[in-house]
Amino acid sequence: AQRVTQPEKLLSVFKGAPVELKCNYSYSGSPELFWYVQYSRQRLQLLLRHISRESIKGFTADLNKGETSFHLKKPFAQEEDSAMYYCALKPANDYKLSFGAGTTVTVRA
Amino acid sequence: KAGVTQTPRYLIKTRGQQVTLSCSPISGHRSVSWYQQTPGQGLQFLFEYFSETQRNKGNFPGRFSGRQFSNSRSEMNVSTLELGDSALYLCASSPRTGAIYNEQFFGPGTRLTVL
Repeated sequence: AQRVTQPEKLLSVFKGAPVELKCNYSYSGSPELFWYVQYSRQRLQLLLRHISRESIKGFTADLNKGETSFHLKKPFAQEEDSAMYYCALKPANDYKLSFGAGTTVTVRA
Repeated sequence: KAGVTQTPRYLIKTRGQQVTLSCSPISGHRSVSWYQQTPGQGLQFLFEYFSETQRNKGNFPGRFSGRQFSNSRSEMNVSTLELGDSALYLCASSPRTGAIYNEQFFGPGTRLTVL
């Protein structure tokens, strides 16, 4: 069985400061990892996925198979980054997502 | 394209009753997944339907069931409601084409309160 852990429930940073959201997973095979974001009063939406290796809204995430981690980073946080962030895992050959508990990020001016 | 829609948006039921929630996927999407979101347990996968067949199932009791129609619309049913079933129920649709994961697009959710 797979498991996704987001150790920080709340994260508060100042505007312009770096932000890093931690995500660790346990899964015996090769998973696909994702970050989803939910802004206030909006739907849950995909932010980025590890296979794309792209930067979205200044965020990047690197899959570290050795440490089984998929931390989300942004060098300079903006107020509009305030949201709930979920790390999610999709097992190989399966189509269901397992989500972490989520991290609420607040970016202060 | 219109997004995923869920009806009703809010529902209040009493223990022992049953409830049916509806999800209309994005046009052309053939996969519908359901998730339960609670403050204590977070987001948990319930089941996924594709081509009118349940393809995946999470660890929920048999009181939770679903179905998908030929137009890809899906319904989720919970029988003999318990207080712990109070949650936000999210539906997500996806094209589900080929072996590569296709992004899931989430609906606004149905807020179920069991009294």
